[in-house]
Amino acid sequence: LAKTTQPISMDSYEGQEVNITCSHNNIATNDYITWYQQFPSQGPRFIIQGYKTKVTNEVASLFIPADRKSSTLSLPRVSLSDTAVYYCLVGDMIYNQGGKLIFGQGTELSVKP
Amino acid sequence: GAVVSQHPSRVICKSGTSVKIECRSLDFQATTMFWYRQFPKQSLMLMATSNEGSKATYEQGVEKDKFLINHASLTLSTLTVTSAHPEDSSFYICSARSNPRDRMKQETQYFGPGTRLLVL
Repeated sequence: LAKTTQPISMDSYEGQEVNITCSHNNIATNDYITWYQQFPSQGPRFIIQGYKTKVTNEVASLFIPADRKSSTLSLPRVSLSDTAVYYCLVGDMIYNQGGKLIFGQGTELSVKP
Repeated sequence: GAVVSQHPSRVICKSGTSVKIECRSLDFQATTMFWYRQFPKQSLMLMATSNEGSKATYEQGVEKDKFLINHASLTLSTLTVTSAHPEDSSFYICSARSNPRDRMKQETQYFGPGTRLLVL
């Protein structure tokens, strides 16, 4: 399973766009990139998943360069409620490793008023 | 999205007792469920993979005789912490995997809300 590296923490202010970058130099051909959000004392919540280029949904965008060795989660106009830990995971969700998700250290995002 | 529940949400027990935590997929069948443990200010650590009708696969360093996992049906997996001790106090989270062949869906693994275990 590819190892991921993220900043330990980030600070932002309400209304700003936040970009969290994750490095995954050893990503394999079958690997997808998935981001989860976790609030204290809650289970992780799926945010977005992508394989290449750009993916956008109602809450975030995911940018993946051509070499796929990194990815950037973009949160537009964050609010105080976006304060959470964000995890980047890389793996083959289906075929290999039985769907195991190995969590890295995550990025603790703090949004201030 | 799909819903996964855990019961209980919080449990306090005395040292030496056993505690059972249930994980249920409420609106889908999960052939595979996963159990994680999370200590304060730390990331989730995968403990074991639970497959319906077969023995669980434990990650390195996780004692299978201490953390008993049973996956008796496609919607229920249980984790029993046997002879719990204060160092077992943690936040236990399960996840359930939906049909892995359904690639039309991005999200294939759904997490429960977690169970807070405190061993006195």
